[in-house]
Amino acid sequence: KAGVTQTPRYLIKTRGQQVTLSCSPISGHRSVSWYQQTPGQGLQFLFEYFSETQRNKGNFPGRFSGRQFSNSRSEMNVSTLELGDSALYLCASSLSGTEGEKLFFGSGTQLSVL
Amino acid sequence: TQLLEQSPQFLSIQEGENLTVYCNSSSVFSSLQWYRQEPGEGPVLLVTVVTGGEVKKLKRLTFQFGDARKDSSLHITAAQPGDTGLYLCAGAEAGNNRKLIWGLGTSLAVNP
Repeated sequence: KAGVTQTPRYLIKTRGQQVTLSCSPISGHRSVSWYQQTPGQGLQFLFEYFSETQRNKGNFPGRFSGRQFSNSRSEMNVSTLELGDSALYLCASSLSGTEGEKLFFGSGTQLSVL
Repeated sequence: TQLLEQSPQFLSIQEGENLTVYCNSSSVFSSLQWYRQEPGEGPVLLVTVVTGGEVKKLKRLTFQFGDARKDSSLHITAAQPGDTGLYLCAGAEAGNNRKLIWGLGTSLAVNP
């Protein structure tokens, strides 16, 4: 089974620009979550999508948005980039079971904002 | 706000040594997960512990969930360079096992 695929792996943008990141979940997984990871803050939850609907949302400003398509692929968008948005953005698809959610992460998109 | 504190933050040891890392909270979790993340990659799930007092073994790794389900430990026996990475714990909120609270991680370096 193919894993979670994120594109692109690396991005360099300048302040004020916008960016779109893509995530293809594991086949059969309908839930996709997005996280921002920085050395100082660790993994911070952005949002979760299930069946094209946002099911949960973290505490990020409205500049961060996402969507999910009917094939479960997901995109997240960051508008008006700030220097502090530089981070590793991780996507995870998940499988619910008796032990709770099990997250399967992609390799991430490393975003640098200059 | 629920927090998960991981200690130590950094650990550098020689191959063959044993080590224990900790994940502590004042809150009760319905389950707790441990992940390992290697540089340039996403975290990979190692184990989920659910029952208070539960012990799970994965080769040289031993995971324990505290009796009160507020804390957990990971013990590695005879560490190898391949164990190097960032170890993250994530607790599922009691009553909402879809919401995970993450620790900042323990960065482990095992030197040959």
